[in-house]
Amino acid sequence: QVQLVQSGAEVKRPGSSVKLSCKASGGTFSSNAISWVRQAPGQGLEWMGGIIPMFGTANYAQKFQGRVTITTDESTTTAYMELTSLISEDTAVYYCARDSDVSAFEIWGQGTVVTVAS
Amino acid sequence: QTVVTQEPSLTVSPGGTVTLTCASSTGAVTSGYYPNWFQQKPGQAPRALIYSTSNKHSWTPARFSGSLLGGKAALTLSGVQPEDEADYYCLLYYGGALVFGGGTKLTVL
Repeated sequence: QVQLVQSGAEVKRPGSSVKLSCKASGGTFSSNAISWVRQAPGQGLEWMGGIIPMFGTANYAQKFQGRVTITTDESTTTAYMELTSLISEDTAVYYCARDSDVSAFEIWGQGTVVTVAS
Repeated sequence: QTVVTQEPSLTVSPGGTVTLTCASSTGAVTSGYYPNWFQQKPGQAPRALIYSTSNKHSWTPARFSGSLLGGKAALTLSGVQPEDEADYYCLLYYGGALVFGGGTKLTVL
């Protein structure tokens, strides 16, 4: 059974960085894209970027260009998302989602709450 | 800045039929945008319902269907159940970039 397990909640100061992890189990890690999506309190879903592990090059939403880095470690089947220069508006639940061979965003992680506050 | 627009809210009676739509600021939505639909209930992660316009996942109830309608992607629920009350999001593919719609809050009343 394909599953994504995300790292725990984070509390960060404005101006700092956060790096979240998303460990995949089951299925084929290398060839299926993993994306990161965030959801601010009471708001909708927002795609941040994604990566296909076997290719290693990530695509990012224009809004996050220069501030987000998505990477993977195939040896541990884990994806990472680092967001820098945090501001209060980055307070959100961050999800990872993985494609299957036929569909996008088929499997979702449980989400990680990131709180940015001074 | 590409914007994907959904109805902010809709209300439907149990057993009724409702159609949610998903429009693109760039023009008509076609199958080339690979429309996806997701359901999200409070406190839960989103769940995939429909991919590539009209394909269902193995767990998608038969009452959900996806289509293209009048230049938009559409999600139709036929025979709505109380448990269908949720937020619904569409997702469109723009050649390497993906954009979610703002979501539709569906109330079953």
